[in-house]
Amino acid sequence: NAGVTQTPKFQVLKTGQSMTLQCAQDMNHEYMSWYRQDPGMGLRLIHYSVGAGITDQGEVPNGYNVSRSTTEDFPLRLLSAAPSQTSVYFCASSRQGGSYGYTFGSGTRLTVV
Amino acid sequence: AQKITQTQPGMFVQEKEAVTLDCTYDTSDPSYGLFWYKQPSSGEMIFLIYQGSYDQQNATEGRYSLNFQKARKSANLVISASQLGDSAMYFCAMKKTQAGTALIFGKGTTLSVSS
Repeated sequence: NAGVTQTPKFQVLKTGQSMTLQCAQDMNHEYMSWYRQDPGMGLRLIHYSVGAGITDQGEVPNGYNVSRSTTEDFPLRLLSAAPSQTSVYFCASSRQGGSYGYTFGSGTRLTVV
Repeated sequence: AQKITQTQPGMFVQEKEAVTLDCTYDTSDPSYGLFWYKQPSSGEMIFLIYQGSYDQQNATEGRYSLNFQKARKSANLVISASQLGDSAMYFCAMKKTQAGTALIFGKGTTLSVSS
């Protein structure tokens, strides 16, 4: 049982490049979400999804797109990377209701130069 | 909108002592859930404990307990008998919606345990 798998673990991008951070879970969780972690800021919610075909914006959605075509996958797209998007990105999933705890991936460390 | 506040950027404690990490929250939802997560230096997020707003008793999980004071809107984490391995960043979080679709986090508290 792999849990939540994020790829890649590390990535360096040049300003203006695009890329997709992958997130997959094998627990049949309905809820999935993306966060960014910056020093002194905690984790901030970027986008989230309550099921296939349904997504919504979080606290800091600008510059990011998401889609959820299957229950298992929830990719995060950076359309035109900026240095301000240098961060550690976490994907998480949870069963409906959320009381069971959210399972997090191991994170992607992204640097935009 | 929900908000989580952690006012202690850093805490220091000696091994075997108890420590309390503070968390206050703000929400207008009558039903809500509160979480604590641990993030060691390796970076993974580890779920510690959960408290529902209607739970009659404070949540406990081994050496972790949650001191839930609903009227004061506080959900402090108590770690009993601290161990060196407890040194980490600790985050308090709340369900974004009653359905628990995602989490809203505080800024975290760094706990350092010394021998």
